[in-house]
Amino acid sequence: AQTVTQSQPEMSVQEAETVTLSCTYDTSESNYYLFWYKQPPSRQMILVIRQEAYKQQNATENRFSVNFQKAAKSFSLKISDSQLGDTAMYFCAFMKHEGNNDMRFGAGTRLTVKP
Amino acid sequence: GAVVSQHPSRVICKSGTSVKIECRSLDFQATTMFWYRQFPKKSLMLMATSNEGSKATYEQGVEKDKFLINHASLTLSTLTVTSAHPEDSSFYICSALRTGGWPDTQYFGPGTRLTVL
Repeated sequence: AQTVTQSQPEMSVQEAETVTLSCTYDTSESNYYLFWYKQPPSRQMILVIRQEAYKQQNATENRFSVNFQKAAKSFSLKISDSQLGDTAMYFCAFMKHEGNNDMRFGAGTRLTVKP
Repeated sequence: GAVVSQHPSRVICKSGTSVKIECRSLDFQATTMFWYRQFPKKSLMLMATSNEGSKATYEQGVEKDKFLINHASLTLSTLTVTSAHPEDSSFYICSALRTGGWPDTQYFGPGTRLTVL
């Protein structure tokens, strides 16, 4: 079974600064997908960024980028130029390449951006 | 984009009654949808996988007779909480799997807060 670990229950960052959220996972699969989702106070889950395991290049989406270390089974999220609207719960998620496409989520990191 | 709706957003019901929650993919077809439950300040727990035209697959520990799932079309899945009790009060979130993209990705509905009195 796959497990996803987010070891930082809460983090805070000053507006305009950079913050990194950590995520590790455990799997015996060789190909899989990794995701970061954001859940603001509205509780709507929003896809932030995604990565395919066989791609060595780290995914980027504007101010969001990941540091994917396959050998270490690590998938951290870096948020640059943090904005107040980035305040939310952030969930790391794992999905196998083959199977029924169900996702396993980490426990989440609550990020607060301070003005 | 990929938009998923849920209805209702909030529901309050009496103990012993049944409640139906709808999940719709508005701009894409979804053979597969998922139902999650989220307790306060906790992560999402997968309850079941809903497959269009076939029976749902339930996670271990989830009572299939209590949480009835019907995936009637490629854009609609419903979750019915039967004989609801206060311990069923929770936030229920659905997602729809969009395929053919890179990679297959789950898009989430806004959630339904169920309160059982």
